[in-house]
Amino acid sequence: DIVMTQSPDSLAVSLGERATINCKSSQSVLYSSNNKNFLAWYQQKPGQPPKVLIYWASTRESGVPDRFSGSGSGTDFTLTISSLQAEDVAVYYCQQYYSTPTFGGGTKVEIK
Amino acid sequence: QVQLVQSGAEVKKPGASVKVSCKASGYTFTSYYMHWVRQAPGQGLEWMGVINPSGGSTSYAQKFQGRVTLTRDTSTSTVYMELSSLRSEDTAVYYCARDFVGSSSWCGYWGQGTLVTVSS
Repeated sequence: DIVMTQSPDSLAVSLGERATINCKSSQSVLYSSNNKNFLAWYQQKPGQPPKVLIYWASTRESGVPDRFSGSGSGTDFTLTISSLQAEDVAVYYCQQYYSTPTFGGGTKVEIK
Repeated sequence: QVQLVQSGAEVKKPGASVKVSCKASGYTFTSYYMHWVRQAPGQGLEWMGVINPSGGSTSYAQKFQGRVTLTRDTSTSTVYMELSSLRSEDTAVYYCARDFVGSSSWCGYWGQGTLVTVSS
């Protein structure tokens, strides 16, 4: 199985500041035939199921604010929240769907 | 709109089995695979397996092979997850989640979750 490693485990960011979450896969999730990275990002708030934010590593789901962006390719990926809002406090997970799906361990984002 | 409605919370004794249902609506049931993901208290997400509602074929995470069974009833647009030989470590919220594209993509829609508590 592909192992997904997220960092940091948690971070505290001031309102309006940038939050950056990293995700590393144990092998490439870039599918050469279509040049797509099989990587998604989810947001989970307490007591709720996860919600997809980003897929194909950088495509924002409909309705997701444009302060959320995804980047990276191959084995290294980043989720960036450009200007943290109070409603962004949550745990964020990366997931690869290149092979048997696996999730990263999660990153908890809090307000400093 | 896509809706996934799961069955209610369960309390089971160690060694028992549990069967959780997930009723789908708002789309063509047989056109999209259904994943199952669990989350232990205070822990991360763990993918358990996936079922193709059209033919019933399944794929399971190695960790759960032999203990989990996914089935479906196309007449009621319902998918079931049965986990056997329960132990305390299986205490978790279990989610069904519909594949977004069809067969091998991200989980685009999620059920509300079903808490399964394993306790003697």
